[in-house]
Amino acid sequence: DTGVSQDPRHKITKRGQNVTFRCDPISEHNRLYWYRQTLGQGPEFLTYFQNEAQLEKSRLLSDRFSAERPKGSFSTLEIQRTEQGDSAMYLCASSFLNSYEQYFGPGTRLTVT
Amino acid sequence: GQQVMQIPQYQHVQEGEDFTTYCNSSTTLSNIQWYKQRPGGHPVFLIQLVKSGEVKKQKRLTFQFGEAKKNSSLHITATQTTDVGTYFCAGDTGRRALTFGSGTRLQVQP
Repeated sequence: DTGVSQDPRHKITKRGQNVTFRCDPISEHNRLYWYRQTLGQGPEFLTYFQNEAQLEKSRLLSDRFSAERPKGSFSTLEIQRTEQGDSAMYLCASSFLNSYEQYFGPGTRLTVT
Repeated sequence: GQQVMQIPQYQHVQEGEDFTTYCNSSTTLSNIQWYKQRPGGHPVFLIQLVKSGEVKKQKRLTFQFGEAKKNSSLHITATQTTDVGTYFCAGDTGRRALTFGSGTRLQVQP
């Protein structure tokens, strides 16, 4: 399967714990995006990378959230000191440099208890 | 900040009826994209509109981009049960950070 993959698919954690998610984009894609989606809403942009450079970060993004893409391939999204409000589906997407079309992965569903 | 509103939130149609969802942005867009998300699935890209007044068709789906590049619509002719899902518009101001609407959930009764 050459699509976008995310790991884990589900994560249950207790409030206050740190969690890290991984995204493997389509291999030829330069751009990688992170979104958060809650029930009944559209995906909400969090951040995006072009190769290893983080080019944009949502102003809504708490400083508890950090993302990396160290070698311009896979990316990780870490949430520190999780809160119940962080419960959501975290989606990763990737695209070619000169294309608008974004390919989404299956997402990581986070539940904070 | 930029907001994208989408109506209706939900539409239930009989198979064979038409369906339309509308999208309005608070700011002028560089382009607008449409995605479909099946229940339990992830968003899948349908189309991108770039030019003012642009109209594109994909079989039974017709997409329009407004003259002012602030609104868009998706029209499905003669719906089928395979059209079930949530349709999202996503506005791009040129920064590549998409702002998604809240989506229109389509239910098709066989």
